[in-house]
Amino acid sequence: GAVVSQHPSWVICKSGTSVKIECRSLDFQATTMFWYRQFPKQSLMLMATSNEGSKATYEQGVEKDKFLINHASLTLSTLTVTSAHPEDSSFYICSASPGLAGRGQETQYFGPGTRLLVL
Amino acid sequence: GNSVTQMEGPVTLSEEAFLTINCTYTATGYPSLFWYVQYPGEGLQLLLKATKADDKGSNKGFEATYRKETTSFHLEKGSVQVSDSAVYFCALSGLTSYDKVIFGPGTSLSVIP
Repeated sequence: GAVVSQHPSWVICKSGTSVKIECRSLDFQATTMFWYRQFPKQSLMLMATSNEGSKATYEQGVEKDKFLINHASLTLSTLTVTSAHPEDSSFYICSASPGLAGRGQETQYFGPGTRLLVL
Repeated sequence: GNSVTQMEGPVTLSEEAFLTINCTYTATGYPSLFWYVQYPGEGLQLLLKATKADDKGSNKGFEATYRKETTSFHLEKGSVQVSDSAVYFCALSGLTSYDKVIFGPGTSLSVIP
């Protein structure tokens, strides 16, 4: 149980285009989903937290207009990188939690990640 | 602020050697502690966790004990295998109303035959 999928696993796009990445919880309802970014040989950096049906909370330094997050259902969150540029190339990982944010003890389940390369 | 520190890598061990990856944390209150593993080209997998002091998490031969007195959560395995080669992340959560997970920098482990 507790499987999280991401689609696509790989994406290559031209500079200036927008890319949408999907994160789905396959066997549980995820009231909270998280989006992380990972640069090569580095740790994960939290970009934003989203609760179903409400606006995402972005971490300091993350441009909300560039990284659009939608969490329209209890099993799906999307991250759209708008007007992508080469510096947006990275490994994007989502995670999902079945509990409401605030309990303090919930395990997050991670997706397999999406590699974005912007040419 | 809240943070997680791990031993510097990369770590290279021979098969069947004993593994220790040190992890210490700085936090207020009583966070939950985790070890995640990332195999090459893949996402993160939860390896083990502990939610209160003196708890021992264990999985696949790995174990770690939540030591509040030393604010540590060291990962150990008695006999590593080549298949254990991966990056290991120590992490904590449970500090904020949004359950943010704070990751350490990761420790790369290579096990050679």
